[in-house]
Amino acid sequence: SAVISQKPSRDICQRGTSLTIQCQVDSQVTMMFWYRQQPGQSLTLIATANQGSEATYESGFVIDKFPISRPNLTFSTLTVSNMSPEDSSIYLCSVEGQGEGVSYNEQFFGPGTRLTVL
Amino acid sequence: AQRVTQPEKLLSVFKGAPVELKCNYSYSGSPELFWYVQYSRQRLQLLLRHISRESIKGFTADLNKGETSFHLKKPFAQEEDSAMYYCALLWGFQKLVFGTGTRLLVSP
Repeated sequence: SAVISQKPSRDICQRGTSLTIQCQVDSQVTMMFWYRQQPGQSLTLIATANQGSEATYESGFVIDKFPISRPNLTFSTLTVSNMSPEDSSIYLCSVEGQGEGVSYNEQFFGPGTRLTVL
Repeated sequence: AQRVTQPEKLLSVFKGAPVELKCNYSYSGSPELFWYVQYSRQRLQLLLRHISRESIKGFTADLNKGETSFHLKKPFAQEEDSAMYYCALLWGFQKLVFGTGTRLLVSP
């Protein structure tokens, strides 16, 4: 399995500012993902964070708004840029599980970052 | 396009009653489906997956390709089963698409 931590756990931000969310994993993983969960909605995949190359974004998400870094196999950041109240969501990172006792294609999720934009 | 539908936002049952959380999917490829659960103040975690065909915490789910369904069932609900349940479909390369979730509330 994988232990994932996220910072910050929550934040309240002003419109027009940016926030960078960190995701740290306790082991090297190949696949890391960022999801968004808007209030009352399901989880939506934002992008796949690729180590050593640009992130792969899903339809409706762009790099200028959600720049992602993946400097190594245990760490990634997601920045929410030029925030508006519509960006108020929970942001989660996940990793594909690897190693003994882990099911194929199983994903492990971080605790999430609850963002409120005023 | 791939889609997962969970028609019930809230399912409220009494302890000992049977539970069925509905999940339907739309996907042109060969589906791989999961149930994830989020207990209060805990993170999202995998409950079970259709490939493994196992029972976890008394829950089972059978993939019905004809009805494009993957309903989650438990014959006798327990209070500790109260949680948010998400059905998810794997598509592309390791990408998950989630349903909107069903909150299960088991009362004593």
